[in-house]
Amino acid sequence: GEQVEQLPSILRVQEGSSASINCTYENSASNYFPWYKQEPGENPKLIIDIRSNMERKQTQGLIVLLDKKAKRFSLHITDTQPGDSAMYFCAASPQGGRALIFGTGTTVSVSP
Amino acid sequence: EAAVTQSPRNKVTVTGGNVTLSCRQTNSHNYMYWYRQDTGHGLRLIHYSYGAGNLQIGDVPDGYKATRTTQEDFFLLLELASPSQTSLYFCASSDAQNTEVFFGKGTRLTVV
Repeated sequence: GEQVEQLPSILRVQEGSSASINCTYENSASNYFPWYKQEPGENPKLIIDIRSNMERKQTQGLIVLLDKKAKRFSLHITDTQPGDSAMYFCAASPQGGRALIFGTGTTVSVSP
Repeated sequence: EAAVTQSPRNKVTVTGGNVTLSCRQTNSHNYMYWYRQDTGHGLRLIHYSYGAGNLQIGDVPDGYKATRTTQEDFFLLLELASPSQTSLYFCASSDAQNTEVFFGKGTRLTVV
């Protein structure tokens, strides 16, 4: 079945720097790309999403970029804080209106 | 905020045992999902449903049955549990496809 590749699997950054996570998808018809954050012991929660009619979206220290030609989208966390330490998942809408396909996750660790 | 409640939160069963995981959402969402989360694999879709009585097969359905008895309730059944089904299971719901998915708190299942 369709897959979403997510890299890196682990990302360690210094507080105040930026963190970037990249995802690629297979289906050129995919049109919805959400990002979820999962804190330790918690459930995943939506933090930002982008649809295929946009190339860039920004909210509260988060930037999402979408390159439809390359079938690639990315999350950029600016000015990272310890509270940004978590697992992050990207997802894409697959072909035929099926449920979201999630990437394998990125563990982000922000050190002081 | 959307409420998705899973029970039990933790379960230990023996190989070959019969297990039912329950999920209830109280937001009148049409779509409900069962995912499993495993290190290195991210969130993988087992089954999903777009309404009472409907069932759609996900990406890793083998060894699992599901049933959507009402708009609110979605069950995951493991009739012959195996150690490979030891995992963290999340139920989720959404109003429509390609909209925010709300996750429950998860059920940690251990098959010994």
